[in-house]
Amino acid sequence: SQTIHQWPATLVQPVGSPLSLECTVEGTSNPNLYWYRQAAGRGLQLLFYSVGIGQISSEVPQNLSASRPQDRQFILSSKKLLLSDSGFYLCAWSVQLAGWGEQYFGPGTRLTVT
Amino acid sequence: GESVGLHLPTLSVQEGDNSIINCAYSNSASDYFIWYKQESGKGPQFIIDIRSNMDKRQGQRVTVLLNKTVKHLSLQIAATQPGDSAVYFCAENGNYGQNFVFGPGTRLSVLP
Repeated sequence: SQTIHQWPATLVQPVGSPLSLECTVEGTSNPNLYWYRQAAGRGLQLLFYSVGIGQISSEVPQNLSASRPQDRQFILSSKKLLLSDSGFYLCAWSVQLAGWGEQYFGPGTRLTVT
Repeated sequence: GESVGLHLPTLSVQEGDNSIINCAYSNSASDYFIWYKQESGKGPQFIIDIRSNMDKRQGQRVTVLLNKTVKHLSLQIAATQPGDSAVYFCAENGNYGQNFVFGPGTRLSVLP
C-alpha cells in the first residue's frame, strides 16, 4: 500500500532563517506531487506541483521554492522565512493525470515563524 | 491556485440528524469534483467523488449531489455521528484538469 510521510510535524523558526520541509511517498512510482499551504481557518492553497524529477511548477509567486531530487521525494524550501510563511503545509500525491483522481495527503507540517 | 474566503462557515447539527454541506464552484469547465474531510491537525482525507456526467452519487452514509446549471455541489451525511466533526472541503478540477481548486471549507460540529 502507498504511504506519504512529512517531517517535521511541527517547526518553530525565527524570521530570516532558512526552511526545508521534506515529503516522501512509498509504494508508488512516478506520482504527481504537490505542496499546499493552509492558513488558520482557510482552505488549501496550491503552492507547487511536480509531474516528474526536476520538474516543478509554481502556482503563486512567493518566498518559497520546491525541488524534486528523486521520484518520490519532494522538498519545500526557503532561504529567508517571513512571518507570513506561517501555516500548515501539506504534501500530497496522485497518480498521473492530476485533476482526474483523488489526491492523497500527508499528515502536514505546522510551521510557526516568530 | 486562488486564495479563499476570510471566514470558515460552520454548521452545527444534532447527533443522529442528517447534515448537508454546500459548495459553490467557480469554473463551468470543471468536470470532476471531490469532497474531502479534514480533522484537526491532520491532512484531508477523500470522502467521495463525482463526475459531471452524473448528478448524484452515494457512498456509505454520504451522498454527493451536483447541479451543473447553478454550479453547486452538496454533501449529505446521514445519521451524523460525533466522528463526523471536521472541516469539509470540496475540490474542482477547473484548470483543464491539471490541478484541483479547493473551496474554503465548512466546519461541521456535531452536538450531543
